[in-house]
Amino acid sequence: GQNIDQPTEMTATEGAIVQINCTYQTSGFNGLFWYQQHAGEAPTFLSYNVLDGLEEKGRFSSFLSRSKGYSYLLLKELQMKDSASYLCAVLDSNYQLIWGAGTKLIIKP
Amino acid sequence: DAMVIQNPRYQVTQFGKPVTLSCSQTLNHNVMYWYQQKSSQAPKLLFHYYDKDFNNEADTPDNFQSRRPNTSFCFLDIRSPGLGDAAMYLCATSRDRGGGYEQYFGPGTRLTVT
Repeated sequence: GQNIDQPTEMTATEGAIVQINCTYQTSGFNGLFWYQQHAGEAPTFLSYNVLDGLEEKGRFSSFLSRSKGYSYLLLKELQMKDSASYLCAVLDSNYQLIWGAGTKLIIKP
Repeated sequence: DAMVIQNPRYQVTQFGKPVTLSCSQTLNHNVMYWYQQKSSQAPKLLFHYYDKDFNNEADTPDNFQSRRPNTSFCFLDIRSPGLGDAAMYLCATSRDRGGGYEQYFGPGTRLTVT
């Protein structure tokens, strides 16, 4: 079966750095997406990785290792507005997006 | 601004009473998706349209139907809602289905079944 694993919940302090991990086992791989979802709202696109390595976009970076089936999302200089769920999703060989259940990130002052 | 619009934002229906949710997009994207998302769970793909080509997920109940009359609009029909169908319904679009094409989501319709 296909599976995406992420921690259910993480807590971090405003101004700090947090890393949210995602491991996956899917039928093929055509890229990995990270989305942010605030409570009661729709997911919004953060990043896409298809090659190994680090992609940096402002305060957010995303890393991929295809051989390990592993990705992480790194958030720097945390702000209160970063409190949200972060969903990892993998595009499989059929171009079907397989979603993780998301990691709820709580930011404390 | 180009966007994905869903109406209504909140819908209350009675057990067994048919309901239709609507989605429109101004992005001119080829692909439109309907997801069901329950609290603290991953979005669950119900079906998607690639242009006019309808693709139903194997585990989507027959109770759920969809129509895409043109590029811009897509509808989700729930023929006989049960209490278990209460959820957030998300419409999304993407330019294509291949890698690198992110999905753009509408704000969602929260469905309550009484």
